[in-house]
Amino acid sequence: GAGVSQSPSNKVTEKGKDVELRCDPISGHTALYWYRQSLGQGLEFLIYFQGNSAPDKSGLPSDRFSAERTGGSVSTLTIQRTQQEDSAVYLCASRQSGGLDFTGEQYFGPGTRLTVT
Amino acid sequence: AQSVSQHNHHVILSEAASLELGCNYSYGGTVNLFWYVQYPGQHLQLLLKYFSGDPLVKGIKGFEAEFIKSKFSFNLRKPSVQWSDTAEYFCAVNAGYSTLTFGKGTMLLVSP
Repeated sequence: GAGVSQSPSNKVTEKGKDVELRCDPISGHTALYWYRQSLGQGLEFLIYFQGNSAPDKSGLPSDRFSAERTGGSVSTLTIQRTQQEDSAVYLCASRQSGGLDFTGEQYFGPGTRLTVT
Repeated sequence: AQSVSQHNHHVILSEAASLELGCNYSYGGTVNLFWYVQYPGQHLQLLLKYFSGDPLVKGIKGFEAEFIKSKFSFNLRKPSVQWSDTAEYFCAVNAGYSTLTFGKGTMLLVSP
């Protein structure tokens, strides 16, 4: 079946502009995660959705970052007034089960490579 | 807060050499442990995972990992690497929270 998809695959933007990154999780997966992958820094957690609500948004680095999820499916990560330090690969992952069961595997998308010039 | 430490940032091996990648975590309670792999140009994918039971876990492509609770470690091993194992490897821990905490990754280069 289809995996997690993300769009765009690459995004180049000028400093100060806003960007929107999209994630389509695997159908039926209730949990959705956003991570940021920077060179040499591994994966940094940003936000977690269970359904349409975000019980954990502790990883968002500043108030310029926000995310929403609609219909328990598609999620959008928005970065306002982008800065050069926002350049990274933004990864989305989804997981089948939710609630208090966190043992399910997270399936990752291909990521969006964001470059802020 | 939980954290994960991967000791080697870069490892270079010849084919048929044995591999061991170190991973230590900091959390005193029950943990779920994972190794993910990212092949060049591909998605992150699960290599193996430990939730409970036998501390020696076998994964795909001949990889295995051993959970040693007393050492807070979950090292990844493979007896004989192949060129196709060239990839970046990430250790991750879930300690009852909703998210995974990842290490910074180890880039493995296997020369033919």
